[in-house]
Amino acid sequence: DAGITQSPRYKITETGRQVTLMCHQTWSHSYMFWYRQDLGHGLRLIYYSAAADITDKGEVPDGYVVSRSKTENFPLTLESATRSQTSVYFCASSESRGGVGRLSYNEQFFGPGTRLTVL
Amino acid sequence: DAKTTQPPSMDCAEGRAANLPCNHSTISGNEYVYWYRQIHSQGPQYIIHGLKNNETNEMASLIITEDRKSSTLILPHATLRDTAVYYCIFNKFYFGSGTKLNVKP
Repeated sequence: DAGITQSPRYKITETGRQVTLMCHQTWSHSYMFWYRQDLGHGLRLIYYSAAADITDKGEVPDGYVVSRSKTENFPLTLESATRSQTSVYFCASSESRGGVGRLSYNEQFFGPGTRLTVL
Repeated sequence: DAKTTQPPSMDCAEGRAANLPCNHSTISGNEYVYWYRQIHSQGPQYIIHGLKNNETNEMASLIITEDRKSSTLILPHATLRDTAVYYCIFNKFYFGSGTKLNVKP
């Protein structure tokens, strides 16, 4: 199916375990993002990628690792999960589009989210 | 500082216009203003964006002040399905806490 998908949708793990959240998009968008959303709060950027093999840190990167070997996939790994990483994780993708003059804009498309619980 | 300021919550009667304000006083001249909304626990959904002119699409209108330091998202005839958290951002990566819009019958 076309669009952006995340797997798993729900995950329960234990402190100290490694967990990988998957994100896949079918639009060949250059940009991909990972956000976390804690209960009752807004989204915070963890990592983003401007293209395959190019990644950069966001607001809250500590404890997370990302890779982007293929344009369509952007996995997020928690190397040693902690209770504070219990959250809902959203993946998004976007493409720069021509706007006013030489300026470009980016409309982000979000996945359905992965609800992660770390016990 | 890439942060915006939005009221934490607003109420609106069904069928009336909902006007959601946003302050983005640190926006630079080449940054767009984007609005997204998040219904319940779903992924956020793009609504509209603008640079300096007012914009309108099938979902909403966006009014940007001449100095570009603030904007207002207008939902002309709010419905119960418009109940959501609305985010205003100008740095495309940084979302704040948004405004929880409650549309009441």
